[in-house]
Amino acid sequence: AQSVSQHNHHVILSEAASLELGCNYSYGGTVNLFWYVQYPGQHLQLLLKYFSGDPLVKGIKGFEAEFIKSKFSFNLRKPSVQWSDTAEYFCAAGYQKVTFGTGTKLQVIP
Amino acid sequence: GAVVSQHPSRVICKSGTSVKIECRSLDFQATTMFWYRQFPKKSLMLMATSNEGSKATYEQGVEKDKFLINHASLTLSTLTVTSAHPEDSSFYICSARDPANRAGASYNEQFFGPGTRLTVL
Repeated sequence: AQSVSQHNHHVILSEAASLELGCNYSYGGTVNLFWYVQYPGQHLQLLLKYFSGDPLVKGIKGFEAEFIKSKFSFNLRKPSVQWSDTAEYFCAAGYQKVTFGTGTKLQVIP
Repeated sequence: GAVVSQHPSRVICKSGTSVKIECRSLDFQATTMFWYRQFPKKSLMLMATSNEGSKATYEQGVEKDKFLINHASLTLSTLTVTSAHPEDSSFYICSARDPANRAGASYNEQFFGPGTRLTVL
């Protein structure tokens, strides 16, 4: 069965700190990988995605993620977070159906 | 970008009643829509895949007679929670795929609705 693990449930950072959120997946066959973000009071939005090609994917708002096939990982990074990045982040993996991780709540302190 | 709406955004009902939630793709046709349930502090749990013109595919453990799904058109899928009970209280979210592969999107990218908060008293 496919699964997605997010290691950090709640992360608190100061503005300008660097961010890395871990995501590991277990999936047989072709897999597409996603990071979604849910800002307070808003619905899920796609941050970035990986289907094939360059394993380093750049998304919106300065986020990037690296697909490491040997580690079954797709970690999300941002070199310098802002207060407006406060949100919940979901990693997802799948092909026809997508499985979501449990989410990581990021709190950025001004 | 592709927009998905849900109606209502919030509903409170008495135990034993049925509640219908609508999911609409506003600017694209969606042959496939998905229904998720999100528990507090937990992930989105896929309930079922809704296919236009055919029966929905339910995930293991989801009662299809309890959660009726109808995908009668390319822009509308409905989830009806029948004989709702307090344990059905949750946040229900739908998503849709845009098979037309509009610019920047791809077949497996899902666009999410804003969700519906169901409270059963």
